[in-house]
Amino acid sequence: DAGITQSPRHKVTETGTPVTLRCHQTENHRYMYWYRQDPGHGLRLIHYSYGVKDTDKGEVSDGYSVSRSKTEDFLLTLESATSSQTSVYFCAISVLQHNEQFFGPGTRLTVL
Amino acid sequence: GESVGLHLPTLSVQEGDNSIINCAYSNSASDYFIWYKQESGKGPQFIIDIRSNMDKRQGQRVTVLLNKTVKHLSLQIAATQPGDSAVYFCASSTYSGAGSYQLTFGKGTKLSVIP
Repeated sequence: DAGITQSPRHKVTETGTPVTLRCHQTENHRYMYWYRQDPGHGLRLIHYSYGVKDTDKGEVSDGYSVSRSKTEDFLLTLESATSSQTSVYFCAISVLQHNEQFFGPGTRLTVL
Repeated sequence: GESVGLHLPTLSVQEGDNSIINCAYSNSASDYFIWYKQESGKGPQFIIDIRSNMDKRQGQRVTVLLNKTVKHLSLQIAATQPGDSAVYFCASSTYSGAGSYQLTFGKGTKLSVIP
């Protein structure tokens, strides 16, 4: 998985609780991304980062926030989880934005 | 091809045969394309990419063909093996302004290899 780890790998939580997912890379790549994958949809971009403290919104950013305080870590936070956020979340990294992205193993999140 | 429904298109091939997986993209400004393989319970794995100044690129047992005229690309897998069973999807990259590029993913095709 190209030196990318995600934690936790599985999480079950209740509606209204805060959740933070972590992505850690050892490749020192500049770009990091958070996607969600749902049946019937392709991977959809939530947020991405183009450097430490530099982030931008993706296609489905509502209800999510991110932070990147170090090159190697990119955190995705659901401030108040909803059932519609039940999904598999993937982190990805790339050297340049117009290059291939390498994906982590994913986090399966269930919001009850 | 790519599906807009809940069910993925499926392709079943005999072990040893060649597989062809298709993908249509919608934005004629897309200039970079990637094929990914995703096995059950795992993250997408990069297979091969191609830029719009090329119409064919080969890797190990895989070939990607790009037809910009009809906005179509295909992934050919030679001598398909049981380990090739997975979901395959394409992604297209398009400049979205302000120095940013957007990667759009297809929904995928499920390849099943019959031993």
